[in-house]
Amino acid sequence: GQNIDQPTEMTATEGAIVQINCTYQTSGFNGLFWYQQHAGEAPTFLSYNVLDGLEEKGRFSSFLSRSKGYSYLLLKELQMKDSASYLCAVRDDTSGTYKYIFGTGTRLKVLA
Amino acid sequence: DGGITQSPKYLFRKEGQNVTLSCEQNLNHDAMYWYRQDPGQGLRLIYYSQIVNDFQKGDIAEGYSVSREKKESFPLTVTSAQKNPTAFYLCAGGGNQPQHFGDGTRLSIL
Repeated sequence: GQNIDQPTEMTATEGAIVQINCTYQTSGFNGLFWYQQHAGEAPTFLSYNVLDGLEEKGRFSSFLSRSKGYSYLLLKELQMKDSASYLCAVRDDTSGTYKYIFGTGTRLKVLA
Repeated sequence: DGGITQSPKYLFRKEGQNVTLSCEQNLNHDAMYWYRQDPGQGLRLIYYSQIVNDFQKGDIAEGYSVSREKKESFPLTVTSAQKNPTAFYLCAGGGNQPQHFGDGTRLSIL
């Protein structure tokens, strides 16, 4: 089957570094994606990994290990505006088409 | 401006009524998707379409219908058979590229 797990909530301090983990099980893995979603708004794309390793984009980095079914999103130099939900999503091509399976999201609170 | 445009932003449905949510895109995406999000939850796939005149059921298709007569448009109808329609509905485009979302439609029951 398909399953994605990520922590429900995390709290961190402004200026700190936080790592949000995501584990997944899927038969037709074709990429792992991270989205940011502020309360009441649509998700916005942050980063994605298709191959193993680290992808860095400014203050955000995402890591993937396909053999372990594991990814993390690393946020550096946290700012108050980073308080949001972070959604992990796997793209699956088992059916010959692209489907995205989303986790329930990690709600991050950044404290002053 | 380029992007995924959803309308209306807020929608109210009466008992026994069908309502249609609009999704238009000018990004030339072949693939388009409809998701439902309930409070504090992730996104659940309702329907998706990879090409014009073709679409597939997602995980929670019951009570919903779609059409894909044009590449640019992928409307979602919430039928009276959907007994719990109150949710945030998100349309997205992009299959082999990272998905990008419209601003969403909030549907409530009157």
